[in-house]
Amino acid sequence: EAQVTQNPRYLITVTGKKLTVTCSQNMNHEYMSWYRQDPGLGLRQIYYSMNVEVTDKGDVPEGYKVSRKEKRNFPLILESPSPNQTSLYFCASSLFWAQGARGEKLFFGSGTQLSVL
Amino acid sequence: KNEVEQSPQNLTAQEGEFITINCSYSVGISALHWLQQHPGGGIVSLFMLSSGKKKHGRLIATINIQEKHSSLHITASHPRDSAVYICAVIVRTYKYIFGTGTRLKVLA
Repeated sequence: EAQVTQNPRYLITVTGKKLTVTCSQNMNHEYMSWYRQDPGLGLRQIYYSMNVEVTDKGDVPEGYKVSRKEKRNFPLILESPSPNQTSLYFCASSLFWAQGARGEKLFFGSGTQLSVL
Repeated sequence: KNEVEQSPQNLTAQEGEFITINCSYSVGISALHWLQQHPGGGIVSLFMLSSGKKKHGRLIATINIQEKHSSLHITASHPRDSAVYICAVIVRTYKYIFGTGTRLKVLA
């Protein structure tokens, strides 16, 4: 089954304790990205990657790191989490496209609810 | 002012009604997505548009690039259509910018 797998689903941690949220896709997609969703602010892009070893910042990259060593995996790393990073996080992937693409959908993981105390 | 604005923010409809959700944006875009977020939180991509119109079942999405506006229509609405509908634009650097969503409730 084609899917984006995110783990863990729920995570409670304390300020300063490094954590990683994993994201894996089995569709051979080039494009992968991370988002956070907060009440009243909606979804905001954290980082994205257009292929292996190619990553770029979204709108809210501060406090986050990513790496893309393999095509299928795109982990999100919080080196020193803080309470303002408490949020619902989503990973997503799609086939890479350029001008003239014919409508490629974005496939989302099921989300990770992170609480930083 | 947000770069992507959706209207209305909340919408309640009776089953069978025709529904329109609007998305206006102020930036140059390569394409636009319509997403559906279920009450349980999962997000599904409904359409990606760069021009014209797309239809899937009871859902129709249109985009007018010159006017920087897109609409999502739901014909013969059903309670299972109750969800948050989110507009997302792709700017030329392949970044995504999202609207804050339209919360739709369809009553039986």
